[in-house]
Amino acid sequence: GAVVSQHPSWVICKSGTSVKIECRSLDFQATTMFWYRQFPKQSLMLMATSNEGSKATYEQGVEKDKFLINHASLTLSTLTVTSAHPEDSSFYICSAAGPAKPQHFGDGTRLSIL
Amino acid sequence: RKEVEQDPGPFNVPEGATVAFNCTYSNSASQSFFWYRQDCRKEPKLLMSVYSSGNEDGRFTAQLNRASQYISLLIRDSKLSDSATYLCVVNPGSQGNLIFGKGTKLSVKP
Repeated sequence: GAVVSQHPSWVICKSGTSVKIECRSLDFQATTMFWYRQFPKQSLMLMATSNEGSKATYEQGVEKDKFLINHASLTLSTLTVTSAHPEDSSFYICSAAGPAKPQHFGDGTRLSIL
Repeated sequence: RKEVEQDPGPFNVPEGATVAFNCTYSNSASQSFFWYRQDCRKEPKLLMSVYSSGNEDGRFTAQLNRASQYISLLIRDSKLSDSATYLCVVNPGSQGNLIFGKGTKLSVKP
């Protein structure tokens, strides 16, 4: 089956640090990648949708200058949390979809900002 | 009204029990529907898609009622390994994004 790799799986860093999370589709071309965030005991919330080669579309309330998304190739999208603060601590999950391919999720990245 | 609503539970049931989860969605134009399973601190995994005609996969049966904007999941003969959070998920349109419910927590006890 389709595999989506997300890295790193766990990050702990100081407040003010920028953190980059990678999402790779290993065996199919992901024309669209989605970034979700899940706070404890909450549902997954879509942050942004990115199509390869174009700018990401952000959901209402998500700061595009804080959460930088790059989808430069059909197999890689990155999310950079710039100047992260404790309130950004969350579980970040990417998913990838391609032609005739439903969404497949990465393993998620647990981000803890001290 | 939230886009996708579920009873958060927890549902605590003995092994072998039958348990049913319900979900309602607000967007009548939603196009596709799913149940996902999420284990603690893990990514969600697709359990099954949900169709108006109803569909069954082993011990799992899913139903969709478009008129009532209601989705259900029935688990028969519960196993300990069924313990997880079950997420009701709706695709509202052609963009491909998914709207997740908060999930219903199931705990199957021996």
